[in-house]
Amino acid sequence: EAGVTQFPSHSVIEKGQTVTLRCDPISGHDNLYWYRRVMGKEIKFLLHFVKESKQDESGMPNNRFLAERTGGTYSTLKVQPAELEDSGVYFCASSQLWGQFFGPGTRLTVL
Amino acid sequence: GQNIDQPTEMTATEGAIVQINCTYQTSGFNGLFWYQQHAGEAPTFLSYNVLDGLEEKGRFSSFLSRSKGYSYLLLKELQMKDSASYLCAVSHAYSGAGSYQLTFGKGTKLSVIP
Repeated sequence: EAGVTQFPSHSVIEKGQTVTLRCDPISGHDNLYWYRRVMGKEIKFLLHFVKESKQDESGMPNNRFLAERTGGTYSTLKVQPAELEDSGVYFCASSQLWGQFFGPGTRLTVL
Repeated sequence: GQNIDQPTEMTATEGAIVQINCTYQTSGFNGLFWYQQHAGEAPTFLSYNVLDGLEEKGRFSSFLSRSKGYSYLLLKELQMKDSASYLCAVSHAYSGAGSYQLTFGKGTKLSVIP
């Protein structure tokens, strides 16, 4: 069974540019989560999808972040425009009943 | 709010036993997870405790005391490959099966030395 995959693994962009991160959850998992780890800090929750619906987006930092999960399969997280403080590792996780399974993350660097 | 504390770093010898503690203060507690994370890789699920007591799985065991807001991860017969960060994460359920978010501690970096 394939695990959670994320693309790209690394992204380096300049302040003000746009970046889109993609997450493909484990097949059949209805729940998809986005988390972020800023350097030196703990992993923090961003939002949660159940199928294509946003269940909880209380962790989204501001309106520069937009997450979608059209069709309830893969998800994208777009940052527009990116700021320096957005640098960090963005993790995606999926679950069915319990036990969130994480992807390898996308390391985003904003210069 | 949620608060999770765990030691920043620990060092232990190959073949030994190490205990990594985690204390938490949280509302809506629905279980506690331990994850292992090697540098640059995905956090990997190790254990889940929702009831008080000890859960054993091979060389790894995890303990939970809900009344004390305390958990520990016990690693036995340490191997060099166990060098990694160990993340304590508390689950908060809000609706539906599988619908919960995790609040993480900062992680404990374990170094296993020969």
